[in-house]
Amino acid sequence: AQTVTQSQPEMSVQEAETVTLSCTYDTSESDYYLFWYKQPPSRQMILVIRQEAYKQQNATENRFSVNFQKAAKSFSLKISDSQLGDAAMYFCAYRRPSGSRLTFGEGTQLTVNP
Amino acid sequence: GAGVSQTPSNKVTEKGKYVELRCDPISGHTALYWYRQSLGQGPEFLIYFQGTGAADDSGLPNDRFFAVRPEGSVSTLKIQRTERGDSAVYLCASSLTYQETQYFGPGTRLLVL
Repeated sequence: AQTVTQSQPEMSVQEAETVTLSCTYDTSESDYYLFWYKQPPSRQMILVIRQEAYKQQNATENRFSVNFQKAAKSFSLKISDSQLGDAAMYFCAYRRPSGSRLTFGEGTQLTVNP
Repeated sequence: GAGVSQTPSNKVTEKGKYVELRCDPISGHTALYWYRQSLGQGPEFLIYFQGTGAADDSGLPNDRFFAVRPEGSVSTLKIQRTERGDSAVYLCASSLTYQETQYFGPGTRLLVL
């Protein structure tokens, strides 16, 4: 079974600085999808970024980018120019290409200090 | 367009009671998912519908949990004989097809007293 591990329960960053959230996963599949979701206090999970394992290029979405290391099974999220609105719980998630369910990590609570 | 909606937002019930949680997916999305999120943890998969049928219900914890999607749109998660351990946020998500990105609703927070 696939597992996703987020080893940082909490992280903090100063406004306008850069922060990196870590995620590792375990799978025997060669093709799969990885995601970062953001969950603010409103509870709604919001997709931040998505990465297909067959793509070597790291995904980017504005201030958000990933460092995907397939051999190391590592998928970290970098947030540049952090904003107060970035404060939330961040979840890393895995999905098999033929499967439907998402497997989530335990989450990292990000605090942004003004 | 409208996102995934879930009702009620919060539900308080007593141990042993029956509850129904509703999910209204994004229009046109054929795939619908239910997850359960306990306090301080990531969401855990419960069940996935493709159209009207449950394509994967392997995440349902026991036979007290049941879900339906009779017309391929709205889904209802039903919990019988609720227990205090059922207290959690129940999240619903939908996607255009099972291979596409899942979009989540705001969840229903269930508290069993």
